[in-house]
Amino acid sequence: GAGVSQSPSNKVTEKGKDVELRCDPISGHTALYWYRQSLGQGLEFLIYFQGNSAPDKSGLPSDRFSAERTGGSVSTLTIQRTQQEDSAVYLCASSRTSGSTGELFFGEGSRLTVL
Amino acid sequence: DAKTTQPPSMDCAEGRAANLPCNHSTISGNEYVYWYRQIHSQGPQYIIHGLKNNETNEMASLIITEDRKSSTLILPHATLRDTAVYYCIAFNAGNNRKLIWGLGTSLAVNP
Repeated sequence: GAGVSQSPSNKVTEKGKDVELRCDPISGHTALYWYRQSLGQGLEFLIYFQGNSAPDKSGLPSDRFSAERTGGSVSTLTIQRTQQEDSAVYLCASSRTSGSTGELFFGEGSRLTVL
Repeated sequence: DAKTTQPPSMDCAEGRAANLPCNHSTISGNEYVYWYRQIHSQGPQYIIHGLKNNETNEMASLIITEDRKSSTLILPHATLRDTAVYYCIAFNAGNNRKLIWGLGTSLAVNP
């Protein structure tokens, strides 16, 4: 499809396990964002990638969270040693320009449940 | 970055105009006003944005006051599918390339 694709759509894991969430942005989009959304809350910024520049990691809540973007396209968000408070919907978005636009295209999200 | 304030919830009758207000009294001159909506269990969807002038597209109209301290998103003929949470965001491309999201307005369109 032409939109932002995220996988898995749902993930249930046990506390202490590692998880990987994948985002496939729209082709040609240079900027990629990860957000998370807890139940009933607004979106919380996690990390931002723009081309070959160093990512803006200022929103990552702890060192258990990391993200990569390979070849300027697909991105993976990794959460190590998951905790119950990590349960949320993780949303990926991309934008077509150098980050100077606020028009983001979002995926459907990956719902993470940590038992 | 300017903080935005929105009412937590609103109701609208189907077929009527939905007018969603947003206060951004601390907005700076180079900050745009962006509107998104999020239908239940989906990712947010861009609606419209503006700086000073009123804007209109196929989805909605955006009215920004002359002093830019507030704005109104107008859905001219609301349908049941417009039921969603609507977010108003102040965005500064120069200093802040990440959107800061509040809790938005939960709009219920009733038959």
